[in-house]
Amino acid sequence: AQSVTQPDIHITVSEGASLELRCNYSYGATPYLFWYVQSPGQGLQLLLKYFSGDTLVQGIKGFEAEFKRSQSSFNLRKPSVHWSDAAEYFCAVVLTGGGNKLTFGTGTQLKVEL
Amino acid sequence: DGGITQSPKYLFRKEGQNVTLSCEQNLNHDAMYWYRQDPGQGLRLIYYSQIVNDFQKGDIAEGYSVSREKKESFPLTVTSAQKNPTAFYLCASSIGGGHAFFGQGTRLTVV
Repeated sequence: AQSVTQPDIHITVSEGASLELRCNYSYGATPYLFWYVQSPGQGLQLLLKYFSGDTLVQGIKGFEAEFKRSQSSFNLRKPSVHWSDAAEYFCAVVLTGGGNKLTFGTGTQLKVEL
Repeated sequence: DGGITQSPKYLFRKEGQNVTLSCEQNLNHDAMYWYRQDPGQGLRLIYYSQIVNDFQKGDIAEGYSVSREKKESFPLTVTSAQKNPTAFYLCASSIGGGHAFFGQGTRLTVV
């Protein structure tokens, strides 16, 4: 079955430390890939997206993600985490030619220690 | 300002009642989506629509119904057949295949 996996449910990092959130997908073709962030009780905000081309994409708030076709991964990174980055992060995919069905992973809750 | 609006923000339902959640967008997007969010389960797709007067079931459509009579509107009805409706509901829209814009959500509670 087609799916999006975020293997880390919770991650805790110290402020100023680097961050990597993992995302893997299982689709036959390369989908469109997204990372979203959600603050408690709010909607989701787009951090970055990958459609094609350069496999390293830059997003808002200093985030970047790298698409690795061989590993079916799209991991989110940030060199130095700020306390305000504490939130829940979701990886999402749209399977091209699949009726634009937007599917999300289960999310990773990020806690930042001061 | 362009955006997507969900109402109400909080909704309480009695056992056996149907309730309708509103979702309106003025972004001129063709695609609209409804998701249910429960702690630890991420966003699960209920229904989605690519065009007016057409919609498809998502992964957890049982106990829900939708309509898409206008491009701007995609209301979700939670029927009495949905046995565990307490959740946070999110509506989104996109230019098909592009990134989605989300509303602020409706928190539904069964009382």
